[in-house]
Amino acid sequence: RKEVEQDPGPFNVPEGATVAFNCTYSNSASQSFFWYRQDCRKEPKLLMSVYSSGNEDGRFTAQLNRASQYISLLIRDSKLSDSATYLCVVNTGFQKLVFGTGTRLLVSP
Amino acid sequence: SQTIHQWPATLVQPVGSPLSLECTVEGTSNPNLYWYRQAAGRGLQLLFYSVGIGQISSEVPQNLSASRPQDRQFILSSKKLLLSDSGFYLCAWTSGRDQETQYFGPGTRLLVL
Repeated sequence: RKEVEQDPGPFNVPEGATVAFNCTYSNSASQSFFWYRQDCRKEPKLLMSVYSSGNEDGRFTAQLNRASQYISLLIRDSKLSDSATYLCVVNTGFQKLVFGTGTRLLVSP
Repeated sequence: SQTIHQWPATLVQPVGSPLSLECTVEGTSNPNLYWYRQAAGRGLQLLFYSVGIGQISSEVPQNLSASRPQDRQFILSSKKLLLSDSGFYLCAWTSGRDQETQYFGPGTRLLVL
């Protein structure tokens, strides 16, 4: 089983739609969690950290469920500029991050 | 503010040739530094990380090596490249109180022919 698993997609949604991605992780001792965004042929960029209480940043909401070992990302009112690959990232300890292979999102007009 | 640089941006090398990729960080001191590789259609694979000058931890055995000759400089090397070394090489750093969040450089795209 992979340490971090994501549905590769692509998720094709129209502008204005709400879309949700899930990610599961296998190491129950994982300490912190992140969502990164990666545009085509570019470096990953931090989108948001994921806290146990959940957190929201504008149109983006991240949730963590430790009992079920999954993380979610909700994007509301999708924009064309949201088209990218979204990477689920887990810190398994000792400052080492494990990256999922990413979920590709395509927002169309 | 902190910035991270990588060069070259792209590189085409023949099989068996040597490799040297450089990463430098500005605006911070004593960062943790990381080298990742992202093969086409695959996730990021941690290759090396360093918590200080001369301190290198290797995550995956391979024909690559890393060195940290200065506090804010991290170098990835190979004596003889393989076809399987092709990929997108990313350097990342963490520092300060927040040692969990990693920030990436622009990457080097390597094609081995």
